[in-house]
Amino acid sequence: QVQLQESGPGLVKPSGTLSLTCSVSGGSISSTNWWSWIRQPPGKGLEWIGEIYHSGNTNYNPSLKSRVTISVDTSKNQFSLKLTSVTAADTAVYYCARVAPNSPFDYWGQGTLVTVSS
Amino acid sequence: EIVVTQSPDTLSLSPGERATLSCRASQSVSPSHLAWYQQKPGQAPRLLIFDTSRRATGIPDRFSGSGSGTDFTLTISRLEPEDFAVYYCQECGTSPPQTFGQGTKVEIK
Repeated sequence: QVQLQESGPGLVKPSGTLSLTCSVSGGSISSTNWWSWIRQPPGKGLEWIGEIYHSGNTNYNPSLKSRVTISVDTSKNQFSLKLTSVTAADTAVYYCARVAPNSPFDYWGQGTLVTVSS
Repeated sequence: EIVVTQSPDTLSLSPGERATLSCRASQSVSPSHLAWYQQKPGQAPRLLIFDTSRRATGIPDRFSGSGSGTDFTLTISRLEPEDFAVYYCQECGTSPPQTFGQGTKVEIK
């Protein structure tokens, strides 16, 4: 059973950088899947941030592309998210998830709330 | 980019009633690329239905999906107390960005 777990600071200052890591267990991050970040502002819907393959290939949401970097560490079975120049609008629950090509997100982390505030 | 729109925004029903949720795509979608998720408060979304009509592992058979082209439906045959939640549809076949519908909240009447 694949499990994903997000970790990182729950509070980030405006104009700072949000950094999160997703640890994958029960399966290899080097499998034929992509690994995604999705966020959900309080009381709102789901927004896809981007994804990475174990080779390092990435795809990003155009609306966030200029501020987002997703990276992978296959030795640790982890992938990470960095979002720069954050504002209050970036306050959200951030989820990591697994996705196969042309398939839905089948495994999700429990999510972690990140608040942007001074 | 295919945009999916869900209706209604909120569905108020009683336990035991039938729920019918709609998902409309801005262009034709392959049946193998339409999925539904359930999200309860404080929890991550859970995959319910993939390939338009296939139930994910452990999903009870009161949940069913149907549709083709641009119009898709999630039906809950008889609502159980644990089914009151928010449901999202997703088109998962086109190139990124991945997009979700805005969600339908099924609430207790």
